Amino acid sequence: DTAVSQTPKYLVTQMGNDKSIKCEQNLGHDTMYWYKQDSKKFLKIMFSYNNKELIINETVPNRFSPKSPDKAHLNLHINSLELGDSAVYFCASSQPRGGPDEQFFGPGTRLTVL
Amino acid sequence: DAKTTQPTSMDCAEGRAANLPCNHSTISGNEYVYWYRQIHSQGPQYIIHGLKNNETNEMASLIITEDRKSSTLILPHATLRDTAVYYCIVRPVSGNTGKLIFGQGTTLQVKP
Repeated sequence: DTAVSQTPKYLVTQMGNDKSIKCEQNLGHDTMYWYKQDSKKFLKIMFSYNNKELIINETVPNRFSPKSPDKAHLNLHINSLELGDSAVYFCASSQPRGGPDEQFFGPGTRLTVL
Repeated sequence: DAKTTQPTSMDCAEGRAANLPCNHSTISGNEYVYWYRQIHSQGPQYIIHGLKNNETNEMASLIITEDRKSSTLILPHATLRDTAVYYCIVRPVSGNTGKLIFGQGTTLQVKP
């Protein structure tokens, strides 16, 4: 069974459109993340939610809005898509225990904005 | 910004040990060293972590110098499937928001 899944795997859209990427984890973790990997392959944290509460927002444009309907899901909605939003977006989850924890990553969603 | 420095790329012969160095000279006492890897077109994968003692698991060994300013990830018998980008990350434990700060990593090419 897939631990962290994302849909869709590929997303091609026009500038100005609004799109959503969905993420689900079946690990029972409390914390979920969104990372962005740009064309230069740098991976950067965007958001983190713990038990549906936003705990990290790394100066991401307001066009990006994460939503966590329950602790197993963290979706990413992007308004007014721009060319620079083209990237691979990774969802991850972890179970912080007050000590070191590992993050489990999804397979990624490759977003292409034309 | 990442607090680690790694070589951009390395080669390793299949079946031989791959030793990947990482410099983290500004590491604090409450920061762990983590290693992740990213195989082409996949999400990053956790490998191992340590604080000050050497660690070993089914994937790799982590050797941390006594002053904790550098570490080495060892893949004892590299296979072609170990070809990936390897990231060394330092991360605080207490007050930890959980975020991982990735640097450029080391691209390891395992050759037959």
